[in-house]
Amino acid sequence: KAGVTQTPRYLIKTRGQQVTLSCSPISGHRSVSWYQQTPGQGLQFLFEYFSETQRNKGNFPGRFSGRQFSNSRSEMNVSTLELGDSALYLCASSLVGGMDTEAFFGQGTRLTVV
Amino acid sequence: SQQGEEDPQALSIQEGENATMNCSYKTSINNLQWYRQNSGRGLVHLILIRSNEREKHSGRLRVTLDTSKKSSSLLITASRAADTASYFCATDDGGGSYIPTFGRGTSLIVHP
Repeated sequence: KAGVTQTPRYLIKTRGQQVTLSCSPISGHRSVSWYQQTPGQGLQFLFEYFSETQRNKGNFPGRFSGRQFSNSRSEMNVSTLELGDSALYLCASSLVGGMDTEAFFGQGTRLTVV
Repeated sequence: SQQGEEDPQALSIQEGENATMNCSYKTSINNLQWYRQNSGRGLVHLILIRSNEREKHSGRLRVTLDTSKKSSSLLITASRAADTASYFCATDDGGGSYIPTFGRGTSLIVHP
């Protein structure tokens, strides 16, 4: 079966702009989580969506937001981009979420803010 | 601060040798997972171990969990060049919410 698909793979944006990243989960998976990975901070949890509702949220400013559609596809939006937002953004899907189930990750979107 | 911290930060071995990496965490957990990440790509789930389990195996992988020491170890036996990757542990907060915390990872290089 098809894996988790993230688009685009690479993105270059200017400081102050906004960006939208997309994640298509594995068919049948209802939970989608987003992570930010940087060399300095490592992998950090952004938020999790389940059945179109944000169920859990990490410690990120309100500039980071997301949503999930009825087909479980999810988008993440970052407004007023800062240089420090440059990172690899990963999404992961699982059947129902939770740390007691396996999560499947996409290849990530590498965002560069200049 | 990170809930899980891997040790060592980097490990370099020859093909055929065993690789052991450790993960320590601060607060009680319900579940601990190990993931592998090849350079700049997505993570691949390796093993899930629950707090009431002490050891799990999957192929050449062996994971142990010592809740009294708040630590876990991942052993890769008979390493191959293809095992070259970063390895991360992820823990929950023991409270039932899904907010996984990842360590900084161990970078493993297996020389052919």
